[in-house]
Amino acid sequence: GENVEQHPSTLSVQEGDSAVIKCTYSDSASNYFPWYKQELGKRPQLIIDIRSNVGEKKDQRIAVTLNKTAKHFSLHITETQPEDSAVYFCAGPNAGGTSYGKLTFGQGTILTVHP
Amino acid sequence: NAGVTQTPKFRILKIGQSMTLQCTQDMNHNYMYWYRQDPGMGLKLIYYSVGAGITDKGEVPNGYNVSRSTTEDFPLRLELAAPSQTSVYFCASRHTDTQYFGPGTRLTVL
Repeated sequence: GENVEQHPSTLSVQEGDSAVIKCTYSDSASNYFPWYKQELGKRPQLIIDIRSNVGEKKDQRIAVTLNKTAKHFSLHITETQPEDSAVYFCAGPNAGGTSYGKLTFGQGTILTVHP
Repeated sequence: NAGVTQTPKFRILKIGQSMTLQCTQDMNHNYMYWYRQDPGMGLKLIYYSVGAGITDKGEVPNGYNVSRSTTEDFPLRLELAAPSQTSVYFCASRHTDTQYFGPGTRLTVL
């Protein structure tokens, strides 16, 4: 199955700075990479995703980049705000394209944005 | 649409007790999943279902059972609760590639 490693485990930034979280994956057949945000005591919610036929995707202050050769993808948050403080999870499909939608999640990154 | 709903929100069980965590979705999604999230950790897949009557094991199925008699409902059963099953349990349903999570059930086994 897929193995997804996420770094760093914690990230502390000042408001207005950028934050970058990186994930590596093991299965070269993986074709879908979502990022979820989980606020304290809440459910995970999808914030952005990317498919393997695209190298970069942006949505306002967040972007995701994918390097298929190196098998890693990254979440970029620009102009961070205190409300960006949360745990962020990356994920990769389990067992490639025939995975029935199963996801393998990274260990999570606790992002703290200081005002 | 209520989306994905879960009951109960919180539960405390004694070792050896049984319980069923309920999950319902009103989006007519075929794919549904159960995850557990231990403190400070990511989500691990317990069981999943690709449609009514079809279920399969995920990464950590031991100690759990599921059923899927309707598209809407996907209950998770704990037969003999153990302290290692203390966790937050999330149910999710999937449309295209996106998984939509329920609010979770926080379970403590003492």
